[in-house]
Amino acid sequence: GAVVSQHPSWVICKSGTSVKIECRSLDFQATTMFWYRQFPKQSLMLMATSNEGSKATYEQGVEKDKFLINHASLTLSTLTVTSAHPEDSSFYICSARGTGSLNEQFFGPGTRLTVL
Amino acid sequence: DAKTTQPPSMDCAEGRAANLPCNHSTISGNEYVYWYRQIHSQGPQYIIHGLKNNETNEMASLIITEDRKSSTLILPHATLRDTAVYYCIVGSSNTGKLIFGQGTTLQVKP
Repeated sequence: GAVVSQHPSWVICKSGTSVKIECRSLDFQATTMFWYRQFPKQSLMLMATSNEGSKATYEQGVEKDKFLINHASLTLSTLTVTSAHPEDSSFYICSARGTGSLNEQFFGPGTRLTVL
Repeated sequence: DAKTTQPPSMDCAEGRAANLPCNHSTISGNEYVYWYRQIHSQGPQYIIHGLKNNETNEMASLIITEDRKSSTLILPHATLRDTAVYYCIVGSSNTGKLIFGQGTTLQVKP
């Protein structure tokens, strides 16, 4: 149990285009989802916290208009990187947190974004 | 959120126990200690977490000192597949936020 999936696993796009990444909790309901970004040889950096049905809370320094987060259901959150630029190339990872015995966070496999 | 301090790297012989230390001297009363690991180019994998009592599961044991200012993750019989970056994180169960530090790169050697 406690499986989180991400789609796509990798994506290459042209500069100026938008890219949507999906995060799904497959076998539990996630009251909260989190989005992280990881650059090569660095640790994960928390970007935002997303609660189902409400606006996401962004960490300091993360542009909310550039990284649009939607958490429309208890099993799905999406991250849209708008007007992507090469510096947005990174490994994007989501996690989902349930309730009760699934109170800890479970992470997706990550999405590798390359912006040309 | 309280910060943690971990050694940047450690080696362990295959089949031996791997003991990974973590200092979290500023931990507050309602904060848990979480351990995750990340194998290259994958999402982090949950290992174990605890509040103040020692915990054990099929993957590892977590020993938390009585004053809660430090903890040790124990992998009882390390295998080559345990080579990864191990993150010790202190977080509130209320917010659920996890702030990752640099972690410990564990290299298990044959």
